[in-house]
Amino acid sequence: DTGVSQNPRHKITKRGQNVTFRCDPISEHNRLYWYRQTLGQGPEFLTYFQNEAQLEKSRLLSDRFSAERPKGSFSTLEIQRTEQGDSAMYLCASSYPGGQPQHFGDGTRLSIL
Amino acid sequence: GIQVEQSPPDLILQEGANSTLRCNFSDSVNNLQWFHQNPWGQLINLFYIPSGTKQNGRLSATTVATERYSLLYISSSQTTDSGVYFCAVAKETSGSRLTFGEGTQLTVNP
Repeated sequence: DTGVSQNPRHKITKRGQNVTFRCDPISEHNRLYWYRQTLGQGPEFLTYFQNEAQLEKSRLLSDRFSAERPKGSFSTLEIQRTEQGDSAMYLCASSYPGGQPQHFGDGTRLSIL
Repeated sequence: GIQVEQSPPDLILQEGANSTLRCNFSDSVNNLQWFHQNPWGQLINLFYIPSGTKQNGRLSATTVATERYSLLYISSSQTTDSGVYFCAVAKETSGSRLTFGEGTQLTVNP
């Protein structure tokens, strides 16, 4: 069990640029979740996958955000035309289905200049 | 959606003291987890405890599902216990997505 891996750990970019983050879940887990955490708040749900199917998207996930999990293994989260308000920690978690505990990666911290 | 309230929001202790953190939630759940977020932002799993009582070293947790609350106990606190403690809950009917509380900021002074 190598844990959930996220890359990069930090990303600094200029407003208007596109960014992509990657999450590698624990290999046996078929559920994968993305959350966003802003300063002083708890993480908030963005979207989740069961295998390759994206089953739910939060209203927080605007049209500029897209997530994929093409082969049911790793996932990518892309943000197009970044804005200042996108600055946050982006966290990925994985689990078995059915209310099982979620295991989190170390996150990607995004800073928009 | 489910509401999660944590108390107290801030807690300052002297090393060696004991503390109790509380988490109230507004609906029945099938997942409840306690996390410790360290200064580097890492979320460390402490307990998966949708019901019952568990202990791990100086930490223990109790969830009373019928009354919709959970308690996290920290005994003989150490400076390394400092950080933010989050409670998070989920329902399978909502895809088991976690809803987090606002957290308790714990500071343990030497």
